[in-house]
Amino acid sequence: GQNIDQPTEMTATEGAIVQINCTYQTSGFNGLFWYQQHAGEAPTFLSYNVLDGLEEKGRFSSFLSRSKGYSYLLLKELQMKDSASYLCAVRDSNYQLIWGAGTKLIIKP
Amino acid sequence: DAEITQSPRHKITETGRQVTLACHQTWNHNNMFWYRQDLGHGLRLIHYSYGVQDTNKGEVSDGYSVSRSNTEDLPLTLESAASSQTSVYFCASSRTFEEGELFFGEGSRLTVL
Repeated sequence: GQNIDQPTEMTATEGAIVQINCTYQTSGFNGLFWYQQHAGEAPTFLSYNVLDGLEEKGRFSSFLSRSKGYSYLLLKELQMKDSASYLCAVRDSNYQLIWGAGTKLIIKP
Repeated sequence: DAEITQSPRHKITETGRQVTLACHQTWNHNNMFWYRQDLGHGLRLIHYSYGVQDTNKGEVSDGYSVSRSNTEDLPLTLESAASSQTSVYFCASSRTFEEGELFFGEGSRLTVL
């Protein structure tokens, strides 16, 4: 079966760095996505990786290793507004998105 | 500004009733999707459409139907609501088949009593 695993919850301190991991087993691979979802709101797109390596976008970076079925989202200089759930999703061979259950990130002052 | 809107945002209904959730997008996107989101689960695909008159079943399509009569709208109908269908429903759209970035509506919270 297809499976996306990410930690349920993480806690970090304002100003610090946090890494949210995602491992996947899917039927084929056509890219990995990260979305941010604030409580009670819709998910919003953060990043997309299809090749191995690191993609940097401001305070956020996303890494992919296809051979290991592994990705991480790195958030630097954490701000209180970064408190949200972070969703990992993999596009399979049928171009369908398979979603992880999300990681709830709690930022403490 | 282009957008995607859902209505109603909140709905309480009774078991056995028919319910329709509306989704309207002004992005002129070909692809539209309906997901449900439940605690402990990732977003699960209910139905999707790649264009007018095209509809396809997702992984949790039983008890749901959609129709696509124009580019802008993809209404989701629960034929006979069940308590297991209590959930938050998200509509989303994307421009092309290859582009993965989804634009989500605000969500519709449905409670079936």
